Amino acid sequence: KAGVTQTPRYLIKTRGQQVTLSCSPISGHRSVSWYQQTPGQGLQFLFEYFSETQRNKGNFPGRFSGRQFSNSRSEMNVSTLELGDSALYLCASREGQGSSGANVLTFGAGSRLTVL
Amino acid sequence: AQKITQTQPGMFVQEKEAVTLDCTYDTSDPSYGLFWYKQPSSGEMIFLIYQGSYDQQNATEGRYSLNFQKARKSANLVISASQLGDSAMYFCAQRSYNQGGKLIFGQGTELSVKP
Repeated sequence: KAGVTQTPRYLIKTRGQQVTLSCSPISGHRSVSWYQQTPGQGLQFLFEYFSETQRNKGNFPGRFSGRQFSNSRSEMNVSTLELGDSALYLCASREGQGSSGANVLTFGAGSRLTVL
Repeated sequence: AQKITQTQPGMFVQEKEAVTLDCTYDTSDPSYGLFWYKQPSSGEMIFLIYQGSYDQQNATEGRYSLNFQKARKSANLVISASQLGDSAMYFCAQRSYNQGGKLIFGQGTELSVKP
């Protein structure tokens, strides 16, 4: 079974631009979550999607948005980029939306964004 | 608010020795799950082990075991027989019962295994 695939793996943008990151979950997984990882703030939850609906959202400004398609693939978008948005963006998928049992998040390798 | 504390920013261990990585958590939720992930330099987060708050026994997965002490709110990871490939960042995380895919992560511990 293929793992979680994130594209692009690396990208460089300038302040004020916008960026779109893509995530293809494991086949059969319907929940997709996004995380931002920075040296200063660590790993922080951005949002989670299930069946094309946002189910949970972290404490990030409205410049951060996402969506999920009918095939469970997800994209996240960051508009009006700031230097502080430089980070590793990790996508994770899991089978269902419940919290019982492990229902483990499987992560992709991440998209490393550098904002100049 | 939920919080995960990993007090060891970096640790060294000799190859083939056992090592314990500390994790304490703070939650008022009665039902929650605890996770450990490994992040090598490549960036991908690799799931290691899970412990549910109502599980009576400590979780084990191969060389990994979780020392769960509920009253003390600690969930330490024990790696037995360390290997060079174990060198990586290790993150402890907690999920409350109604939070779905939202994990609260600690700051991580960087483990270095010496030959």
